[in-house]
Amino acid sequence: DAKTTQPTSMDCAEGRAANLPCNHSTISGNEYVYWYRQIHSQGPQYIIHGLKNNETNEMASLIITEDRKSSTLILPHATLRDTAVYYCIVTPYTGANSKLTFGKGITLSVRP
Amino acid sequence: EAGVAQSPRYKIIEKRQSVAFWCNPISGHATLYWYQQILGQGPKLLIQFQNNGVVDDSQLPKDRFSAERLKGVDSTLKIQPAKLEDSAVYLCASSLAWTGFEAFFGQGTRLTVV
Repeated sequence: DAKTTQPTSMDCAEGRAANLPCNHSTISGNEYVYWYRQIHSQGPQYIIHGLKNNETNEMASLIITEDRKSSTLILPHATLRDTAVYYCIVTPYTGANSKLTFGKGITLSVRP
Repeated sequence: EAGVAQSPRYKIIEKRQSVAFWCNPISGHATLYWYQQILGQGPKLLIQFQNNGVVDDSQLPKDRFSAERLKGVDSTLKIQPAKLEDSAVYLCASSLAWTGFEAFFGQGTRLTVV
């Protein structure tokens, strides 16, 4: 059973913010939201994760709704190198059910 | 800091042959993962090690796939005999600890079975 739902694809203009949505309406209280991305012909790359507070690092910001049923990954100033498949993953931080399970992700295309 | 090293990068074999992939994780990373990624799909977890013990191998086709992690460091993944549907990219990843999933991935080995 898929724990997350993401649109198949989206695009944005270079230099603009890219807002990538993820729905995880059945998330449990102990589950974190992780985001990874995979640039063509490379392995996945960790971006950010969070539990319920908004998080920001040098790559992106993660906004989690108050009910935790959805989240948005924000790339503040998208570049052509951000063109990739972005995966939203929900998992407990620890325990027998904790694992990185990738879905199909959302393909982000950044146009010049 | 050196990343996760995998070899070979590419491999072409005939069906029913055997093949092995090698992974050297980042130094000090206790957790090691092997994933299979078929074209157009997200990576699928095959096996997860914590040091040299298996934590999860529920999706490993054990009749043909095997994996080991020597002394809690390097790991090998073997397929014997290979089938056409095994054509995929095999990704190795490692992370610092059991808790948390800030994993670092290698570039993968692209296997083609003909």
